[in-house]
Amino acid sequence: DARVTQTPRHKVTEMGQEVTMRCQPILGHNTVFWYRQTMMQGLELLAYFRNRAPLDDSGMPKDRFSAEMPDATLATLKIQPSEPRDSAVYFCASGARTGPGDQPQHFGDGTRLSIL
Amino acid sequence: QKEVEQDPGPLSVPEGAIVSLNCTYSNSAFQYFMWYRQYSRKGPELLMYTYSSGNKEDGRFTAQVDKSSKYISLFIRDSQPSDSATYLCAMSLGGYNKLIFGAGTRLAVHP
Repeated sequence: DARVTQTPRHKVTEMGQEVTMRCQPILGHNTVFWYRQTMMQGLELLAYFRNRAPLDDSGMPKDRFSAEMPDATLATLKIQPSEPRDSAVYFCASGARTGPGDQPQHFGDGTRLSIL
Repeated sequence: QKEVEQDPGPLSVPEGAIVSLNCTYSNSAFQYFMWYRQYSRKGPELLMYTYSSGNKEDGRFTAQVDKSSKYISLFIRDSQPSDSATYLCAMSLGGYNKLIFGAGTRLAVHP
């Protein structure tokens, strides 16, 4: 059963430190999404890529967050410097277009981030 | 006003009950409608996926979309304790594109 893989699953670090989260999309999926989930805001889209090119990063704080896709099997989300308000669960999802229709997004199990 | 409204619950029902979960939305351009189930400390898992209006059935689950009313529903028949989770509705202009999620409804099915 194909799955989106995220690492690490948990991360605890101190304010000001750099945080890197990684995502391996489902093989063959060419669209990758980064979401953040908090109790207050729910699931929010941060950024997404299609064929490795950034399409929309309007949900991401540009001064400290960056997202890249170095190759088709790896997407990264970095926070530098991290702040306590960045504490959340970060999800990666991938999807694909097949024929006349679109395939819906499938999610990984997330990275639970705590910034002290 | 949020683009997608969903009652956060919690909703508590006895085993075997029929559960009805609902979302309303404001953007009439949404074409794709999804229901995800999320267990504690796990990622959202796709349950149902429909395009435009109509009904779709998969086992104990039925998804309905009423575009004229901007209202979608998920029905769970013969609910089981294993159905206890948070149910998130989501919608997009295209399944390939960014999803707008509801807040999620917490469901508890007790034996």
